[in-house]
Formats: sequence, C-alpha cells, structure tokens
Amino acid sequence: LAKTTQPISMDSYEGQEVNITCSHNNIATNDYITWYQQFPSQGPRFIIQGYKTKVTNEVASLFIPADRKSSTLSLPRVSLSDTAVYYCLVGDKSGGSYIPTFGRGTSLIVHP
Amino acid sequence: DTGVSQDPRHKITKRGQNVTFRCDPISEHNRLYWYRQTLGQGPEFLTYFQNEAQLEKSRLLSDRFSAERPKGSFSTLEIQRTEQGDSAMYLCASSDGTANFYTFGSGTRLTVV
Repeated sequence: LAKTTQPISMDSYEGQEVNITCSHNNIATNDYITWYQQFPSQGPRFIIQGYKTKVTNEVASLFIPADRKSSTLSLPRVSLSDTAVYYCLVGDKSGGSYIPTFGRGTSLIVHP
Repeated sequence: DTGVSQDPRHKITKRGQNVTFRCDPISEHNRLYWYRQTLGQGPEFLTYFQNEAQLEKSRLLSDRFSAERPKGSFSTLEIQRTEQGDSAMYLCASSDGTANFYTFGSGTRLTVV
C-alpha cells in the first residue's frame, strides 16, 4: 500500500487560499489519489479524486505533478466552516483488495 | 436513499457488557467497511465485506470483536466484554466497488465506563 505523508496541522484565515500537500513517493501506476474531509463527530466525506494533472470541482482543486509522487489539495477562499481534518489516500480505483487506509490527516484551522 | 446510516449514534455501557452496532449501507453498494477512530487519530480499518462475505478480518482488534453481514445488506459489529480502551468512534463505510471513494456514516460513539 502506498504510504502518504501530510503536515499534521495548518492555520489560515478566512478568504485565503489553502494548499495542503501530500507526499506519496511509492504510488503505483494504477493508484488514484483521493482526499476526504472530516468534521468532529462525523465520518469522513469525499472531496475530490484524481490521477494526474489537475482536477477541479465545486469544492476544491487537486494538482498532481507529472511524477505523481505528491499532490496538492487547494481550497479557494476558505471560510470558518472549512475547519476540519483533511486526509489524503492513494489506492487502486478498481477496488480489488484495496482497503482505504487513513493516516492522521492535516488539521486545518481557519481563523476569523 | 439518504446515505450510510449507523445506529445508535451514542452508546454508554459498563465495562464487561456486550454491545452491538448496526450499519445500513447505501442500498446498491456491495462493499461495507468498519473502522474505529480514537481522538486525534485517523480512522483505523477493522474489517470489510463484499456482499455477505467477510473478506478481511485479521485486523479486528481482538477476538472480542466480530462482525456480520448476513444477507449482504446491513451489518452489525459486536464487541463482547467491553473494556475502557474500546471507547472510540466506530465508523461504517460503503462503496460499489468500482471506484475507490467511500461513503461514510456518522459513526457510533462508544463510551465504556
């Protein structure tokens, strides 16, 4: 299983753009990169998924360089409600025997 | 279908008692996962099912933990002879097996006193 490394915590202010980088040096050819968001006392919630280059949805953007050894989740103009823990996972999109494995994630605190 | 449902949301039990949690996945999802999460940590995988078959159970924390999914729909997680160290959030997730993103329930918060 590809292991991921993320910063333990980050601080930002309302209205700023936040970029959270995840390292996954031994990512496999078939692996996709998926980010989840978790609020206290709730289960993780899917944010975005990508394989290469850039993916954008209504919530975030995901930037993946050509070597795919890292990825960056970009949250535009964060608000207080974006305060949460963000997890980066890598794994085979086909499922197979893949078991989603979570690290400690990045705790983002957005200040007024 | 409103997503993955877990019941109860909170459970307080005395040490030594048995507890059972229920998870109802999204109806068309054939895969169901159980996780445990303690404060400050990411979710820790326990076991998963594809339909009614339990395909991975080696990471259940001890033989006091067991899970079932008898008809390939809802699942139960049982903890026997609970200990204070079992206090945690127990999360359930489901997927349709075609893409590696998973829908999680809101969890069951267990407190063992």
